[in-house]
Parts: sequence; structure tokens; C-alpha cells
Amino acid sequence: QSALTQPASVSGSPGQSITISCTGTSSDVGSYNLVSWYQQHPGKAPKLMISEVSKRPSGVSNRFSGSKSGNTASLTISGLQAEDEADYYCCSYAGSSTFGVFGTGTKVTVL
Amino acid sequence: QLQLQESGPGLVKPSETLSLTCTVSGGSISGSSYYWGWIRQPPGKGLEWIGSIYYSGSTYYNPSLKSRVTISVDTSKNQFSLKLSSVTAADTAVYYCARHVWYGLWYFDPWGRGTLVTVSS
Repeated sequence: QSALTQPASVSGSPGQSITISCTGTSSDVGSYNLVSWYQQHPGKAPKLMISEVSKRPSGVSNRFSGSKSGNTASLTISGLQAEDEADYYCCSYAGSSTFGVFGTGTKVTVL
Repeated sequence: QLQLQESGPGLVKPSETLSLTCTVSGGSISGSSYYWGWIRQPPGKGLEWIGSIYYSGSTYYNPSLKSRVTISVDTSKNQFSLKLSSVTAADTAVYYCARHVWYGLWYFDPWGRGTLVTVSS
């Protein structure tokens, strides 16, 4: 099972919106609404930002939103802030043989 | 609030077995609808799910690692453990434990702080 494909880097200026894509296949992203997103600052553990494609856990800013179309999921960060500079990973359930797969990761830079 | 903490040797020799333990505090590992998982991250690289266990002992492993992985649980100590056999330098990584929400869902929350394991002679 190959990792989900994410752009290596995305950048934006403070206040702007950016979108990170996560492309899988009809066996994972395309078949299940079970995509989650994680934020990871350098040297820190990943933090859950989005579950089930678009659900935001308590305490996560509403500037973070998720969506899915076909085999591609997306994470949008609106009103970009300096603290959003981090690595972001998607993850999808991939069925009862493979179970789950993470994305390749995207480094977000706030210009 | 639920917290997880990994522990174990930071250095393992090639061909030996890596052993780590995750201690859960602020909640019980038993009698809940959660799984408990291990995820790893080689230096400068992405995340990889290793496997997960239910408090009853039911386990699921990443097919690519299944032949070398054993995850066990000790409910009396509120801990679960990872063993990875026949390690090579490719197994050098930060190893995280996390609560794994499964049963119709699939996500990890919260995570432990992680522990770096280096495979080297």
C-alpha cells in the first residue's frame, strides 16, 4: 500500500488561505469518509486537527476545515497565522486488509 | 485528561528486538471502545502506522511489518507494548503511541511525545 500523495510544501502570507491536497485511490480515500489530518510542529508529536473528512475536534480553530472529492481529500487553513507553520499529514482508512495509510506530508510555510 | 508516555531503550543493535512500552494515564485502557496504537516516523520522513491492540488482546498490524511485530497489552498496569524483531537501520525512527479510535472511524488522538530509537551497532 503506497502512501497518500501530498504536495511537499505549501506557503502563504499571514491572513491568506491555503489548501493542502491528499490524493489516494478508490481503495482508500475514495471509498471511505475516514480521512484525518494531523499537524506536527518540529520536534513535537502530531496533533489531530480533522477527523472523518471534515469534523473538527474540540479546541481546534475553526480556521481549519476539511473536505473530500473523489480520491482526493483537502485541508484548508484560512486566515493563515504564524503558528500554523508546521508539517501536515493526512491519513485514510484503506479497508480490512491494509487498514490505514498516511500521506507523504506537507510543510506549510507562513511567509 | 488522557496522556500517553513511551519508554524503552534508545539504542538497539541490528538483528535484535526493539521493545517499547506505552503507559496510559488519566483514563483506563480497559472496557472502552478504543484501540491503542503504535506509529513511527523515521528522521525527516513521514508517519507509518505499525499496529493497534484492543484491551481484550485483539491486534491488527500493518501488512508490511506484520511478520516482525508483536503488540501486547497489560491492563493491570494500564500499559501496552511493542516488539519489533530483526531490526535494521531502516527501523531507526521516533516511535509514538496513541489512542486509536476505530469501530467505524479511523484516527489517532491523543499521541504520546514519542521516543527516538536508533538501530546501530
